[in-house]
Amino acid sequence: DAKTTQPPSMDCAEGRAANLPCNHSTISGNEYVYWYRQIHSQGPQYIIHGLKNNETNEMASLIITEDRKSSTLILPHATLRDTAVYYCIVRVPIGGTSYGKLTFGQGTILTVHP
Amino acid sequence: KAGVTQTPRYLIKTRGQQVTLSCSPISGHRSVSWYQQTPGQGLQFLFEYFSETQRNKGNFPGRFSGRQFSNSRSEMNVSTLELGDSALYLCASSLDGTGNTQYFGPGTRLLVL
Repeated sequence: DAKTTQPPSMDCAEGRAANLPCNHSTISGNEYVYWYRQIHSQGPQYIIHGLKNNETNEMASLIITEDRKSSTLILPHATLRDTAVYYCIVRVPIGGTSYGKLTFGQGTILTVHP
Repeated sequence: KAGVTQTPRYLIKTRGQQVTLSCSPISGHRSVSWYQQTPGQGLQFLFEYFSETQRNKGNFPGRFSGRQFSNSRSEMNVSTLELGDSALYLCASSLDGTGNTQYFGPGTRLLVL
């Protein structure tokens, strides 16, 4: 799986959009970008994933650049409960042979301020 | 649909003892992966089970083992506990482990004294 680079920490004001960047310059053509978050001492929570096109769900939006070397997770209206560590992960698609292994980096600590 | 459940949630053991942790995957999911999370090493992959077989393994000593039952429930065992085994142990389930989205349980917090 390709390596990802994220800023160690970011701040955001409550009610504002939080834009979390991720670099994955060595991503392969068939690798997906996944985002998880982990609120203190809980299990990681799946947020969203994508391959090429921008994706949106009830939690967030994922913007992937055309060359796929970077992506941005957008939380449109951040709340205090969005304070967490956000992990960007690149992984092989369905049918791949990494068999259940996700490679986590250090992630970005997002702090949402009142 | 119920999420991934892990038991127990908290555990205190002493060095040299062994421990067994349990994970029940989401209904219909047949792959279970285990991870260890420590402040120093972050989240690290332990192993993955599918159809009662270990298919993938991370870089952990043989003291760490696991198994999966026919109903897809999984257990992991750590023998001869060391202080450094104190960690949050997480399991995640997915449909078949080949790239489907993984969903994590709340974890078991193990403290070794």
